[in-house]
Amino acid sequence: EDKVVQSPLSLVVHEGDTVTLNCSYEVTNFRSLLWYKQEKKAPTFLFMLTSSGIEKKSGRLSSILDKKELFSILNITATQTGDSAIYLCAVPGANSKLTFGKGITLSVRP
Amino acid sequence: NAGVTQTPKFRVLKTGQSMTLLCAQDMNHEYMYWYRQDPGMGLRLIHYSVGEGTTAKGEVPDGYNVSRLKKQNFLLGLESAAPSQTSVYFCASSYSGTFSYEQYFGPGTRLTVT
Repeated sequence: EDKVVQSPLSLVVHEGDTVTLNCSYEVTNFRSLLWYKQEKKAPTFLFMLTSSGIEKKSGRLSSILDKKELFSILNITATQTGDSAIYLCAVPGANSKLTFGKGITLSVRP
Repeated sequence: NAGVTQTPKFRVLKTGQSMTLLCAQDMNHEYMYWYRQDPGMGLRLIHYSVGEGTTAKGEVPDGYNVSRLKKQNFLLGLESAAPSQTSVYFCASSYSGTFSYEQYFGPGTRLTVT
């Protein structure tokens, strides 16, 4: 059974801080790892990582995968209140089913 | 292009009542999924479908049934609602194939069972 563990489960920071969100996984057959951001409604896709050591970047967000140590991190620099959300990590299994972690609730205070 | 839509957005049921949640997608995706989300639990897969006329159980299928009569629609049924089914339900869809794991989510249905 595939397993995804995220940490910390919640985090409170101030605007301008840099945060690092962690995701570790155990999968039978690794295909990729995905990060989603969830604000009030539906999760929205951020990144898909398939190769170790190659950073994916989008604005102030970046993510990297370590397939040897079985984890990924999502970094957010110069945080803003609009970054407040739940960040979900997931791994796909057979038939593209996603196994999600419990999510990390990030609160950015003004 | 509406993406993934869900109806209704909110619903309150009494214990023992039944209802059907409708998910529709206009992206011609083969795969469709139903999840439930509870506080502190992430998203858990209820049922999924890999094509029209097919369905399969996910992680938490008990108390739910599904049907995929048309490619663009995926229905989730609760035959006899229980308070433990109070949750937010998300539908998602994706392309088939080994390189397209991104799932596109609907806006969710908030269900309360009293």
